Amino acid sequence: SAVISQKPSRDICQRGTSLTIQCQVDSQVTMMFWYRQQPGQSLTLIATANQGSEATYESGFVIDKFPISRPNLTFSTLTVSNMSPEDSSIYLCSVERGASGTSTDTQYFGPGTRLTVL
Amino acid sequence: GENVEQHPSTLSVQEGDSAVIKCTYSDSASNYFPWYKQELGKRPQLIIDIRSNVGEKKDQRIAVTLNKTAKHFSLHITETQPEDSAVYFCGSGGSNYKLTFGKGTLLTVNP
Repeated sequence: SAVISQKPSRDICQRGTSLTIQCQVDSQVTMMFWYRQQPGQSLTLIATANQGSEATYESGFVIDKFPISRPNLTFSTLTVSNMSPEDSSIYLCSVERGASGTSTDTQYFGPGTRLTVL
Repeated sequence: GENVEQHPSTLSVQEGDSAVIKCTYSDSASNYFPWYKQELGKRPQLIIDIRSNVGEKKDQRIAVTLNKTAKHFSLHITETQPEDSAVYFCGSGGSNYKLTFGKGTLLTVNP
């Protein structure tokens, strides 16, 4: 597996502001993903973040609202822009990681960032 | 896109009994099916996965079965223990590495 950390672990924000969430991995990975998990709900993929190219967004998610950076193979950020209370959720990054560092479809999740928007 | 249905949404068993959670998927191109366990306030943890070239996989008290023709797969937990209590998510993925998850099953194991 991989050691994945996220910052911040939680935050309370005012509506209309933006928050940037960081995801750091202890080894290089090709693909990183960002998910949203609303209270008591399942995991919904926001976008796939690849190093050296723009993120690929899923239906219902747009770059203006959730800009993503992927400057290298161990780090990514997700920004939640112009927040509203409906953005209150847990945001998780995940990385694909196989045995001996090979690429595979196995995903491991970060600890998540709990966001509350007032 | 892919659609994953998961049942039941809640499951309560007595300690020592078996628990079975079932998922169906819609995309016949899907070839990877992981199961995650998520305890309250924690991250989802991969507990077992299966690929489409295998019909069954077992790891101690946990097993997963896959029926590609019917497009369904199941998680089996035997000899359940209170620490198995959590929300379990099934997932479905294909060649693009993206995963689609079911809505989750809250498993409660009563001592």
